[in-house]
Amino acid sequence: DAGITQSPRHKVTETGTPVTLRCHQTENHRYMYWYRQDPGHGLRLIHYSYGVKDTDKGEVSDGYSVSRSKTEDFLLTLESATSSQTSVYFCAISESSVYYEQYFGPGTRLTVT
Amino acid sequence: GESVGLHLPTLSVQEGDNSIINCAYSNSASDYFIWYKQESGKGPQFIIDIRSNMDKRQGQRVTVLLNKTVKHLSLQIAATQPGDSAVYFCAENYGGSQGNLIFGKGTKLSVKP
Repeated sequence: DAGITQSPRHKVTETGTPVTLRCHQTENHRYMYWYRQDPGHGLRLIHYSYGVKDTDKGEVSDGYSVSRSKTEDFLLTLESATSSQTSVYFCAISESSVYYEQYFGPGTRLTVT
Repeated sequence: GESVGLHLPTLSVQEGDNSIINCAYSNSASDYFIWYKQESGKGPQFIIDIRSNMDKRQGQRVTVLLNKTVKHLSLQIAATQPGDSAVYFCAENYGGSQGNLIFGKGTKLSVKP
């Protein structure tokens, strides 16, 4: 398995609270991604990063922000969690030359009550 | 709406038979088409990719076919095994953008012993 860890693996939080999910990689890959996975929707890209401090929005970025201050860490923040953000969140990484070949972390199950 | 879709949400095959999973796409500008496999409780795993200038690519027990005329993608699994039971997603780099993959909703493959 690619060296990707996500923390926490499970989290329950209340509506309106801020939440930060962390993705850590040991592969030194340039690209990092955050997806959410919901029944009936498959995987949807939230944000991605193509280098330290270089990020871009994905398909479902509203309500989420990201930061990447080091190559190995990519943080996803929900500024004020809502019930619609209850989901499983996956981090992924890829090399620049084969960006479409992504390696996924184990996922974080987030429940917003 | 989504540009990547699937013809069948579920597929059940007998062990040893060949499996064919289909996918339709709508964006002619996409450069790469990719198949991922997701086992229960895990993150997606890269299987195989095909570039838009190809119509066939083979891997170990898998073949991906690309028909640009009808914008159709398929994944063929030879001699399906119980370990192939999973959800399979097709994806495309939407509009040729690096890093921005659009995933289909997935097909669940069940292999009967």
